[in-house]
Amino acid sequence: AQSVTQPDIHITVSEGASLELRCNYSYGATPYLFWYVQSPGQGLQLLLKYFSGDTLVQGIKGFEAEFKRSQSSFNLRKPSVHWSDAAEYFCAVGARAGGFKTIFGAGTRLFVKA
Amino acid sequence: GAGVSQSPRYKVAKRGQDVALRCDPISGHVSLFWYQQALGQGPEFLTYFQNEAQLDKSGLPSDRFFAERPEGSVSTLKIQRTQQEDSAVYLCASSYGRLFTDTQYFGPGTRLTVL
Repeated sequence: AQSVTQPDIHITVSEGASLELRCNYSYGATPYLFWYVQSPGQGLQLLLKYFSGDTLVQGIKGFEAEFKRSQSSFNLRKPSVHWSDAAEYFCAVGARAGGFKTIFGAGTRLFVKA
Repeated sequence: GAGVSQSPRYKVAKRGQDVALRCDPISGHVSLFWYQQALGQGPEFLTYFQNEAQLDKSGLPSDRFFAERPEGSVSTLKIQRTQQEDSAVYLCASSYGRLFTDTQYFGPGTRLTVL
């Protein structure tokens, strides 16, 4: 069965520092992979997605993620964090083999300190 | 343009009451998803519609949960005889096409509290 693990419940980084949010997935084949952000009072917004091809994916708001098959990981990165990046981040996996179910991780809350 | 809207934004129900949650997807979007997000958790898939057809309802937790999209646009998620464990935020998302890879656009959610 598919599953997604986000090992860090919360992370605090200083404004201007780099960021890496971890995501590990379990799936028998190469899945569809997603990162979403959820800000207070806002709906979930897609940051980026990976389906195939180049394993380094660029997204919105300066985010990128790298798919590493050998490590079953899809970590999210940003070189310089802004205070407005404070939010909840969710990694998600979708099945390739039929169905429409997207499995979300429990999320990582990002705090940004001045 | 207008995004996905959901109503009501907040709903308080007494245990045993029936509730109906509405989702207005982006106009023209074929696909519609419902998710349940418990406090401190990620969203959990409930069901999927392609136009008016409910193609996947594998995530509905019990037969008290029912969803419909009769005309292929607005969708309603109904919960009968609500229980305290139904307290959660219910999210709706829509996407333009039929492909699973199409971007899903999420609404702000309905926060349901069952007392």
